[in-house]
Amino acid sequence: QQPVQSPQAVILREGEDAVINCSSSKALYSVHWYRQKHGEAPVFLMILLKGGEQKGHEKISASFNEKKQQSSLYLTASQLSYSGTYFCGTESGSYIPTFGRGTSLIVHP
Amino acid sequence: DGGITQSPKYLFRKEGQNVTLSCEQNLNHDAMYWYRQDPGQGLRLIYYSQIVNDFQKGDIAEGYSVSREKKESFPLTVTSAQKNPTAFYLCASSLNSGTGSYGYTFGSGTRLTVV
Repeated sequence: QQPVQSPQAVILREGEDAVINCSSSKALYSVHWYRQKHGEAPVFLMILLKGGEQKGHEKISASFNEKKQQSSLYLTASQLSYSGTYFCGTESGSYIPTFGRGTSLIVHP
Repeated sequence: DGGITQSPKYLFRKEGQNVTLSCEQNLNHDAMYWYRQDPGQGLRLIYYSQIVNDFQKGDIAEGYSVSREKKESFPLTVTSAQKNPTAFYLCASSLNSGTGSYGYTFGSGTRLTVV
């Protein structure tokens, strides 16, 4: 079953923060996060394994709450280059993620 | 540099034709995948292969076929049985998906249009 992402779209100004959520109705083994710019391939950001760990680098980080079957992606002090569509992919034991419909992020100067 | 190469970038298909999309990787990844992307739908899994000469149907395999004769190659054929093939097709690869969770590397995609 496809995970639910929220919000569907976010519009920010440079320097503002954003949070993108990903929820599943199934118990999760791991969560993937990807960013896709228009007409291009999705780019892998990070993967979180069950255990509730938080991962990240620079100003993009994520958390994984396996009890709530949720993950959140945090974008801090957003830059123009952060614009794109963010997808989460959730795994429930098959090692193959099912992707959400995506969250469109637009960062304005 | 290692990566995934998809060709062609754009493909036009006439009604009733079969077309084949190419996907080649030089990352030495065991697993390869085909996804279809439609506006607002996210990525939907068509087929995947965890090892040479073996592949499995994904969520929307009807009207598609694949082969995995070599580790580095995973072509997708869109057959005439696929009722609505116009979409953006993405190929991906990862380390062996049967032993753990690994991030995917995606190709740059093929945009297929039925004319």
